[in-house]
Amino acid sequence: GENVEQHPSTLSVQEGDSAVIKCTYSDSASNYFPWYKQELGKRPQLIIDIRSNVGEKKDQRIAVTLNKTAKHFSLHITETQPEDSAVYFCAALYNNNDMRFGAGTRLTVKP
Amino acid sequence: KAGVTQTPRYLIKTRGQQVTLSCSPISGHRSVSWYQQTPGQGLQFLFEYFSETQRNKGNFPGRFSGRQFSNSRSEMNVSTLELGDSALYLCASSRVGGVQNEQFFGPGTRLTVL
Repeated sequence: GENVEQHPSTLSVQEGDSAVIKCTYSDSASNYFPWYKQELGKRPQLIIDIRSNVGEKKDQRIAVTLNKTAKHFSLHITETQPEDSAVYFCAALYNNNDMRFGAGTRLTVKP
Repeated sequence: KAGVTQTPRYLIKTRGQQVTLSCSPISGHRSVSWYQQTPGQGLQFLFEYFSETQRNKGNFPGRFSGRQFSNSRSEMNVSTLELGDSALYLCASSRVGGVQNEQFFGPGTRLTVL
């Protein structure tokens, strides 16, 4: 089936540093790429998304970049804070509403 | 506006039994997708329903089935439960169910198979 590869699987940064998580996808027809944050014991929540007609999108300390030619997209978190600690999932939309997720990245921000 | 709700929140079953999980989408949302989340496999897509029809299906055996009612509420059924079916089952709803629509997740049903 269609795959979304995500790395790293774990990431530990110092408070105030930046964190970058990368994902690659296989279907060139995919045109919607959301990122979800899941805190321990809670449901995944959308934090930012990007559509294929855009190369970069920013929302305060969070940004996502998309390279359609290379079929990869990345999440950038700047000035990280301890409350950013969570598991982050990337996803790519296939075939209408078939959303395929990456395996997740466990981000730990150390105070 | 109420969020996505799922019932029950926790469930314990034994091997060989069957289980039915329920998901109520956000009012006005017509698409419901189901996911299985396990520590080892992450979030895996089960299937998506839109207007009472299954539109997309992931790579799960036929023991996993679902349906959607006219009010957009959806149920997922797993028959002949196996130990490996223990997982958090999440549903997500979106407004139109076409491309590029944000999915809102429910709190999940944690299924334990003994």
